[in-house]
Amino acid sequence: DAGITQSPRYKITETGRQVTLMCHQTWSHSYMFWYRQDLGHGLRLIYYSAAADITDKGEVPDGYVVSRSKTENFPLTLESATRSQTSVYFCASSKYRDPGNQPQHFGDGTRLSIL
Amino acid sequence: KNQVEQSPQSLIILEGKNCTLQCNYTVSPFSNLRWYKQDTGRGPVSLTIMTFSENTKSNGRYTATLDADTKQSSLHITASQLSDSASYICVVINDYKLSFGAGTTVTVRA
Repeated sequence: DAGITQSPRYKITETGRQVTLMCHQTWSHSYMFWYRQDLGHGLRLIYYSAAADITDKGEVPDGYVVSRSKTENFPLTLESATRSQTSVYFCASSKYRDPGNQPQHFGDGTRLSIL
Repeated sequence: KNQVEQSPQSLIILEGKNCTLQCNYTVSPFSNLRWYKQDTGRGPVSLTIMTFSENTKSNGRYTATLDADTKQSSLHITASQLSDSASYICVVINDYKLSFGAGTTVTVRA
């Protein structure tokens, strides 16, 4: 039962570089989400996807790009990394849109440091 | 300003003792409230969910309460174990939007 996996788990890069965080789920869930978690703040939604080729912005989308060509994959790209994007990034998935019906299942995160 | 405030920010308890975590929210309207447990270096895992009409929900040694009138929820941990050391996150659900609290870090010491 692989569930939802994120890679890499840790990444260090420099400002201005492009970096892609990977997310893969084996449940065939329709919905996938990207969050960032910063110290002292709650998780904040960056982007979400309702199905392959359908994506939409969340609360903090600036500086990020997503794609979803296959149901099971939802990569997040920082096109030109900035220090303010240093954070822990979590991918999540769910079968239904309604989070009250079924919880979102989270990966174990990618800790990204931008120097 | 965060619409979900949790307190305390952190606490330390001895193994076997009980503790209560608080969550106050201003999200409106409100449909559901979840508590998540996040172990260090792991993603959050759902513990309980309550609708606005429920007052209490249990999951083993975890009991969540909800007062929708005062917009407060609490998570009570009974007979704590070392494995309860984690961050506990309150999530308020409004339609399809999730608002996350910053979490309470619980450390259980032997």
